[in-house]
This record gives sequence, C-alpha cells and structure tokens, in this order.
Amino acid sequence: AQKVTQAQTEISVVEKEDVTLDCVYETRDTTYYLFWYKQPPSGELVFLIRRNSFDEQNEISGRYSWNFQKSTSSFNFTITASQVVDSAVYFCALSGGGSNYKLTFGKGTLLTVNP
Amino acid sequence: DADVTQTPRNRITKTGKRIMLECSQTKGHDRMYWYRQDPGLGLQLIYYSFDVKDINKGEISDGYSVSRQAQAKFSLSLESAIPNQTALYFCATSDPLAGATDTQYFGPGTRLTVL
Repeated sequence: AQKVTQAQTEISVVEKEDVTLDCVYETRDTTYYLFWYKQPPSGELVFLIRRNSFDEQNEISGRYSWNFQKSTSSFNFTITASQVVDSAVYFCALSGGGSNYKLTFGKGTLLTVNP
Repeated sequence: DADVTQTPRNRITKTGKRIMLECSQTKGHDRMYWYRQDPGLGLQLIYYSFDVKDINKGEISDGYSVSRQAQAKFSLSLESAIPNQTALYFCATSDPLAGATDTQYFGPGTRLTVL
C-alpha cells in the first residue's frame, strides 16, 4: 500500500523567510512518481512538480526547490524568500509506475506567509 | 481558456436531491478522475475512467455514479444527496502517453453543500 505523510499540518512564517515542507512516503513499487501540488485560498489545485524514482537530482525553479532522497523516502519542498502569495495548502502525492495510476495524497500542509 | 472546466462551481442542494457535476477537458487526455476533498484531509478518489468504455470505482464510490459521455466529458452524479457529501469535488485528467508520467491536472473544483 502507498502512503504519504506530511507531518506539518500548519506552518507560519514571516515574508522573506525560507521554509521547508516535509514529505515522507511509503511504497513497495520500484518505479514510482512523486508530485507536489499547491492549493491557494481560491481552491484550485495547481501542479508544481513531478519526480520519478530514478532521478534523485534536486530541482530548482525560481524560489522553489525540491530535495528527493530515496534513502530516507523523502521529497521535501523548500521555498526561498517566501512571499505572501505563497500562502496556500501544499500537497505531496505519490503514484506507482506502469498501470498503477493511483495518486495517493498526503493531508497537506497549510503555509501562511505573513507580511 | 482553462483546459479542465467544472460546472457548476458552487452548488447548494437539499438532502435527497439528485445532482450532477460536470467536467469537460480540452487537453485531449484519455484518463479522467473524480476526487472529493474534505476540510483538513487530502483528496480521495471516487471514480476514474481510462477511456470512454472503461470506468472504475475508486476508494469512496458509494453514493456516487459516473458517466463518460465522450473522451472530453466525465460527469459525477449523486443520486440522493446527503449532508456528509458536502465537500469540494475535483475533476482531473491525465495522459499516460505523455512520457509515461501520467501527471494529473485538476479542474477548478466544485463546492457542494448538502443541507
């Protein structure tokens, strides 16, 4: 069975601080994919990134970076110099490879960035 | 224009009423999904369809039914709505041929309240 744990239910930071959102996953698949989605207060779900299990390179996109470590089954998300517009719920998700389409979500982390 | 649209965006209904939520996509994806999100929880899969003739139950299909009218349209019905079906409902699409990653892209959501 697949499982995604986001232990941080809520995080509050002041603008310009760096913040890391944790994601730990469990799967028996050797091929799998990890995702991060953002849900701003308006409610839509926005796809941020996808990582496959064979690619452990960290990724940076502007102020966003992701650290994938298979040894600790973690896929953490860091926002550098946070901004008020980063305030949202962030979901980590996991799916298996091949025909194992199922996307398993964590319960999300509510990030509040205060001015 | 949005690639995945959902109608209505908000709906208030009464217990026992039949209600249909509609999803349309212009992404040309074969796979479509319906999820519900409850406050403080992640997303739970209700139904999914890999093509027009292939419809499958997800984790929480009881009380729901679906119809895949065309590749681009996937409707979710609540035959007799009950208050605990009050939730935010998302439609999603994915294309397994797009690099075998099967990233799911979500619609804007439908907020349903059952009184």
